Parts: sequence; C-alpha cells; structure tokens
Amino acid sequence: NAGVTQTPKFRVLKTGQSMTLLCAQDMNHEYMYWYRQDPGMGLRLIHYSVGEGTTAKGEVPDGYNVSRLKKQNFLLGLESAAPSQTSVYFCASRDRGNQPQHFGDGTRLSIL
Amino acid sequence: AQTVTQSQPEMSVQEAETVTLSCTYDTSENNYYLFWYKQPPSRQMILVIRQEAYKQQNATENRFSVNFQKAAKSFSLKISDSQLGDTAMYFCAFMYTGNQFYFGTGTSLTVIP
Repeated sequence: NAGVTQTPKFRVLKTGQSMTLLCAQDMNHEYMYWYRQDPGMGLRLIHYSVGEGTTAKGEVPDGYNVSRLKKQNFLLGLESAAPSQTSVYFCASRDRGNQPQHFGDGTRLSIL
Repeated sequence: AQTVTQSQPEMSVQEAETVTLSCTYDTSENNYYLFWYKQPPSRQMILVIRQEAYKQQNATENRFSVNFQKAAKSFSLKISDSQLGDTAMYFCAFMYTGNQFYFGTGTSLTVIP
C-alpha cells in the first residue's frame, strides 16, 4: 500500500534554481494539499486542489506554483528558489466529506 | 479566519502516567471537524483521533481520548498509560467545509522511562 508518495525525499538547491516536487496518491482521493513545515510554525498550507484540473491558494502561496493535471498527481513548483523556502514540504490527500488527510513522508529542501 | 492555538510548546510525562495536551481554536463556523496528528522523529504525520463538532460524545481511540468543549472552543488530547513510543510532536488541526485544514504550532511530548 503506497498511499501518498513524495519525490524526492531530499534536495539541495542554489538560489535562483528551479525544481518540481511530485506528489502521487493511489487512493483515488479528490483533495490534495501542499504544506511547508518550519520550526515553531506548524504546518502552513501553500496550495491545494479539490479535484483534477483545479488549484487554489492557501496561506503562503507566494513563490510557488502547482498543477493537478491528473487526479493522482499534484506538483509543486519553485520557479526561482530562495533561501526562505528552505523547509520540509508535506503533501497530503483525502477523500470527500469529513475524512482526515493522509500524508506523505515529506521532502527536505535546502536552498543555499 | 480560523486559528488553532497550542499553548504548550513542550511537555514531558513519566512512562505509564497520563498527560493532557491542550488545543484551542477560534472559528465562527458551526459545522467543523477536529483532529490530532502525531509526528514522531521519523517525520511521518499519523492521525491519532478525530472529533466531529456536531457530536457531543468525546472521541476515544484506545489510550487516546479527547475532551471537546464546543462552547469554550477547546479540544484537548489525553494520553493514558504513556509509552515510550508516544514521544513525538503532536499537532491539533481544524477543518470546516471550506476544505482547508488549519494546524496549531505543535506540542513536543517526551515520555521519560
């Protein structure tokens, strides 16, 4: 049972580089989310999607873009990485209704 | 706007004892859902327990139970018979029909042998 899979698990970037984080879920969930986790700040929502082809901004969307071309995948892009984007990124998915989120194992991203 | 507050950054408890983690939230919504997640050092986010706001009965899951006080907007987590494996960061989360989740800043719990 794969659940929610994030790729890569760890990455180091230089300022100004771009990259894409991939989230894949095999539970046929409608909703998908991208969070960042920073010390002392809990999880903050970056973007989310309520279905294939839809995306919406969360609490901290600046500097990130997302796409949900396929229901099972939710991509998070950094066009020009900045040191302030050094963080641990979590993807989550959930089914309709009052269902809880299922999380991936996180991606540790360091930007030098 | 919805906010979730966890006022205890760190807590510790002796093995086999009971500990309560506090969580308060602020919302004008009437229908919503509350969750406690556990994040051990492995970094995984694991659902511990959930509560529907329309239910008056407090949720329980084995050694984990909640004290849900809707009027006070309080949602505390009680861990009974604490075990070493309970050592983790615990996050309280709030969701309403807007589909967004709001997380508290977390409480780091250490179980002492």
